[in-house]
Amino acid sequence: EVQLVESGGGLVQPGGSLRLSCAASGFTASSNYMSWVRQAPGKGLEWVSLIYSGGTYYADSVRGRFTISRDSSKDTLYLQMNSLRAEDTAVYYCARQASGYYYPDYWGQGTLVTVSS
Amino acid sequence: QLVLTQSPSASASLGASVKLTCTLSSGHSGYAITWHQQQPERGPRYLMKLNSDGSHIKGDGIPDRFSGSSSGAERYLFISSLQSEDEADYYCQTWTTGIQVFGGGTKLTVL
Repeated sequence: EVQLVESGGGLVQPGGSLRLSCAASGFTASSNYMSWVRQAPGKGLEWVSLIYSGGTYYADSVRGRFTISRDSSKDTLYLQMNSLRAEDTAVYYCARQASGYYYPDYWGQGTLVTVSS
Repeated sequence: QLVLTQSPSASASLGASVKLTCTLSSGHSGYAITWHQQQPERGPRYLMKLNSDGSHIKGDGIPDRFSGSSSGAERYLFISSLQSEDEADYYCQTWTTGIQVFGGGTKLTVL
């Protein structure tokens, strides 16, 4: 059974940093593209970043501040978030991408990040 | 610019059927999309990949009550025999090199 479990969310001040983790099981995470998607309170889904075999992609809103990476030995995906802003407040979901495609076929339950002083 | 447009809300009665629509922006009518369901206070769930020719690939365990079709730039999600647990937000998603895009979502109310 495919499972994705996010962790690392919490309250952080504007300008601060946070690292999110996503532990994958039931499949070999390094074999699939993986992404982060966020959802601000009461809003819709917003794609944040994707990692694939050849590199990484970022939404304009986070490029230069967020870094996606993964540790294949731990089957874990990460999102390093720096220079956080109030508008980054959201639930962050990790998602496995269908093999060879750029769409999610499995989602985690999310972790809440709150940026506030 | 690649954009997906969804109606903010829809409603239908218990046991009835409903059609949700996702519209691709001009010049992108050949794109495949995916549909995702988000029940209250839960993470999203992948429903299906829907191609421009109407063929679709459903996710694991998705009931036959869920189906899809396509016409031009429009992509449809059909839900038949509506159940209370179908009350949720439904999002369409698509992609091109370097980006993914989500529609604004449709909130489905089961009356």
